[in-house]
Amino acid sequence: GQNIDQPTEMTATEGAIVQINCTYQTSGFNGLFWYQQHAGEAPTFLSYNVLDGLEEKGRFSSFLSRSKGYSYLLLKELQMKDSASYLCAVRDTGGFKTIFGAGTRLFVKA
Amino acid sequence: ETGVTQTPRHLVMGMTNKKSLKCEQHLGHNAMYWYKQSAKKPLELMFVYNFKEQTENNSVPSRFSPECPNSSHLFLHLHTLQPEDSALYLCASSQNQGEGNQPQHFGDGTRLSIL
Repeated sequence: GQNIDQPTEMTATEGAIVQINCTYQTSGFNGLFWYQQHAGEAPTFLSYNVLDGLEEKGRFSSFLSRSKGYSYLLLKELQMKDSASYLCAVRDTGGFKTIFGAGTRLFVKA
Repeated sequence: ETGVTQTPRHLVMGMTNKKSLKCEQHLGHNAMYWYKQSAKKPLELMFVYNFKEQTENNSVPSRFSPECPNSSHLFLHLHTLQPEDSALYLCASSQNQGEGNQPQHFGDGTRLSIL
């Protein structure tokens, strides 16, 4: 079956570093996406990984291990505006569907 | 980002009403999607259109009827909905369906409440 697991909620302190994990089991794999969604707003694209390793983009980095079915999103120098839900999504090769996790709600406190 | 616009933002309707959700994208994309987002659940793919042709119907009940008159517009027609259909309905677009690194661009959604 298709399944994506990520923690429901996390809390971190302003200025700190937080790592949001995602594990997946899908019938095929054609890339993994991370999206950010603020309450009441559209999900917005953060990162894409298709090869193993770390992709860095400013304060945000994303890591992928295909053999382990595992990814994480790393947020550095946390800001209050980073409080949002973070969605992990896998593009399946069969039918090219994108399968989403339930999202991790991140609370950044002062 | 205003690349994908959804109207209305909020909709309250009775179970016997008929209403339509509208989505418009200004990004020149060829693929458009409808998703259902319920609290604490993953985004559920409902329908996919690629170059105006429906390519996915994810076992959606017939009380939801999509329409894609052109690559820029997508509608979701609603009829005889159930209380469990109350959710946020998100529209998205991408350059083409299935192209590996192309992300989806989402609208802000329609918050639907069924009385």
